[in-house]
Amino acid sequence: QVQLVQSGSELKKPGASVKVSCKASGYSFTRHSMSWVRQAPGQGLEWMGWINTNTGNSNYAPGFTGRFVFSLDTSVSTAYLQISSLKAEDTAVYYCAREESQMGARDYWGQGTLVTVSS
Amino acid sequence: SSELTQPPSVSVSPGQTARITCSGDALSKQYTNWYQQKPGQAPVLVIYKDIKRPSGIPERFSGSSSGTTVTLTISGVQAEDEADYYCQSGVSSGPYYVLFGGGTKLTVL
Repeated sequence: QVQLVQSGSELKKPGASVKVSCKASGYSFTRHSMSWVRQAPGQGLEWMGWINTNTGNSNYAPGFTGRFVFSLDTSVSTAYLQISSLKAEDTAVYYCAREESQMGARDYWGQGTLVTVSS
Repeated sequence: SSELTQPPSVSVSPGQTARITCSGDALSKQYTNWYQQKPGQAPVLVIYKDIKRPSGIPERFSGSSSGTTVTLTISGVQAEDEADYYCQSGVSSGPYYVLFGGGTKLTVL
């Protein structure tokens, strides 16, 4: 069965960097793009962008350019989200979600990774 | 405008019908998906392409669309349906990007 398993919670200081992983299993990794979605505490879902797992090309949503980078290691079916120069307002749960093009939707989601930025 | 508007909350009694609306200009041009999110859990897709239900989603969940407003209907609401619901569409003026509504808290009284 399809599974997306994300790395564990992170506590970082302002200015540091963090890299969140999302390991996929149960399907052909390069056949589905991967989206990243942010959810700040008590807030709604915010789409950050996606990465084409076949080409490695990324599309970042407005507001998520510069400090946010998506990457892949197709040899281990894993997608990554790296955030640099962390700020307190980056504190959130970050989800990876598989893109299903036939549905035009995110059909499977990781369990989420809480990133806390605090001095 | 590139926004999707949902009511912050909807309340219904068990067995009644809940309707959650989502409005926005993007909805007249793009399909809408709906996600259910329970506290502490990842979102789950419950409706895609306006009206289609993924396998495993109960038949009491349905979707409809009219112009710039889409509606998620939950018939015969059960206590387990209490959750946040998010509509989602896309914007294709320029690079395509995904847009979520602000979410609606469904309370089962």
